[in-house]
Amino acid sequence: EAEVAQSPRYKITEKSQAVAFWCDPISGHATLYWYRQILGQGPELLVQFQDESVVDDSQLPKDRFSAERLKGVDSTLKIQPAELGDSAMYLCASSPGWGAADTQYFGPGTRLTVL
Amino acid sequence: AQKITQTQPGMFVQEKEAVTLDCTYDTSDQSYGLFWYKQPSSGEMIFLIYQGSYDEQNATEGRYSLNFQKARKSANLVISASQLGDSAMYFCAMRGDSNQAGTALIFGKGTTLSVSS
Repeated sequence: EAEVAQSPRYKITEKSQAVAFWCDPISGHATLYWYRQILGQGPELLVQFQDESVVDDSQLPKDRFSAERLKGVDSTLKIQPAELGDSAMYLCASSPGWGAADTQYFGPGTRLTVL
Repeated sequence: AQKITQTQPGMFVQEKEAVTLDCTYDTSDQSYGLFWYKQPSSGEMIFLIYQGSYDEQNATEGRYSLNFQKARKSANLVISASQLGDSAMYFCAMRGDSNQAGTALIFGKGTTLSVSS
């Protein structure tokens, strides 16, 4: 069964350092999402890609976060510099399209701890 | 704006019993989708069940069913014959329909389900 891949699974870093997360969506899925989930809450969207284009990054803290999906397949999310408040689970999801019925499938997530 | 409300922070159930997890939603979209996800302690979000706003029948997937009451804007998840492996956090989510991209899932705060033997 096809799955969304993410790496690393866990990342511990010190504040002011740079971190990067990688996501490989299910093959053929044009839409890719990065969500951030703070402990005890539901995930919230950071950025959405349609193929290689960003279609929603309204909640992405652009002074420190960046995301790219250069060839419309895998994607990288970067934080520079990391802050204590960035400690969270970062989830990647993909779906065939963006319709209401298009199910999003999630990867295992990257759990980030900033010290 | 879309909103999902899950009012039960925690639920407790015995093995083999049925349990209902509540979810209410608010949206001005005519067409939308409602989803339930399970998140074990390991962290991955597992898709359980989907209900479309125009679906006349309640969705079912194995032991999961969705009690969809459109007029009341509720989409409760029913788990029949609970198993120990069902212990996890459960999230209700919705997604509007749009001719444009930019329709991410809106999640509730989740309900922690604990199943005991």
